Amino acid sequence: GDSVTQMEGPVTLSEEAFLTINCTYTATGYPSLFWYVQYPGEGLQLLLKATKADDKGSNKGFEATYRKETTSFHLEKGSVQVSDSAVYFCGTGTASKLTFGTGTRLQVTL
Amino acid sequence: KAGVTQTPRYLIKTRGQQVTLSCSPISGHRSVSWYQQTPGQGLQFLFEYFSETQRNKGNFPGRFSGRQFSNSRSEMNVSTLELGDSALYLCASSLEDTSYEQYFGPGTRLTVT
Repeated sequence: GDSVTQMEGPVTLSEEAFLTINCTYTATGYPSLFWYVQYPGEGLQLLLKATKADDKGSNKGFEATYRKETTSFHLEKGSVQVSDSAVYFCGTGTASKLTFGTGTRLQVTL
Repeated sequence: KAGVTQTPRYLIKTRGQQVTLSCSPISGHRSVSWYQQTPGQGLQFLFEYFSETQRNKGNFPGRFSGRQFSNSRSEMNVSTLELGDSALYLCASSLEDTSYEQYFGPGTRLTVT
């Protein structure tokens, strides 16, 4: 079955630092890839998505590019803010079944 | 438009009991999925319903079951609760039957003692 591997957390950064969270996947067919974010006490929210190879998803300053050759979908942001502190989940979806990574907790400090 | 709502938000049960959790999807959404979130296993897919039919099922024992009603509201049931069932149970709804863009509710925190 599908699987997603993302870098272990927690990741602690100072405000305005550069963020990379690595994510690789295995899946059959041509899956969509996405990043969801979970803020404390809340449910998951879709952060960005990509539906085919070389697509770049972007939202709120975050970006990720669908790399089929390396089966990766790394999340990046050029300058993180304290408000970005949350847990980030990489995942792959086909039909209505989503497979998530274990999540990476990001803590941004002043 | 109201988001996905889940009731109750918190629940404490004893081993061996059963529990029913409820999910109301966003109006117009016909697909409802359920996930279990634990610190050790992360987010794991339980099952997905579309138009009252279970279309996908994860690798959970038969103690976990669900259903969907004609108004798209969904319930999941766990029978003979075990300590390991303590988790945050998340419901998500989507507009189209093959949409990966799911909208999540806040979850029900189940504690089994």
